[in-house]
Amino acid sequence: GAVVSQHPSWVICKSGTSVKIECRSLDFQATTMFWYRQFPKQSLMLMATSNEGSKATYEQGVEKDKFLINHASLTLSTLTVTSAHPEDSSFYICSAKVWGTVTGELFFGEGSRLTVL
Amino acid sequence: DAKTTQPPSMDCAEGRAANLPCNHSTISGNEYVYWYRQIHSQGPQYIIHGLKNNETNEMASLIITEDRKSSTLILPHATLRDTAVYYCIVSTGNQFYFGTGTSLTVIP
Repeated sequence: GAVVSQHPSWVICKSGTSVKIECRSLDFQATTMFWYRQFPKQSLMLMATSNEGSKATYEQGVEKDKFLINHASLTLSTLTVTSAHPEDSSFYICSAKVWGTVTGELFFGEGSRLTVL
Repeated sequence: DAKTTQPPSMDCAEGRAANLPCNHSTISGNEYVYWYRQIHSQGPQYIIHGLKNNETNEMASLIITEDRKSSTLILPHATLRDTAVYYCIVSTGNQFYFGTGTSLTVIP
């Protein structure tokens, strides 16, 4: 199946700093990428949907100024957690939908674990 | 918001079939049923999806009731590596909301 790569897989940062997480589709083009966050022992929560070349659509309750999403190309989307605080510590997962498919499956990255001290 | 209901946990003996149910009574005509699984601390893995016909692939079979209000994922011969949280999702293919899933434990 298609491969989605996230980087970094884990990151530790100080409170108040910004952290960027990259999500790449390695062997396919992704018109749409999704960002999720997951707290321990909970399900995945959709944060935002990003389409290449346009602004991301954020889910209700997700601060767009805090979680900056950029989808500059068909193979790369980035999530920047600005002014991170300990409550932002979580597992962030991206997924990509293959370009040209309407109902095709999503391919997920390995996830990025963020710890804010 | 997730539109599915799944039992929180299930056990299955190794080598036996695992049958994971999912209720989606408010599914719309243009929504597909997708199944994913997540092994601890990894990204979810696609298993199978379908609209109204039963589907089978190398991983599993998906049985969708005629009224499409429920479905069952079947892992024909469960192995220890199938221990994971299984998520049933209904979607048109535009957005995917995860429910609480079923934690399947395969017992030796």
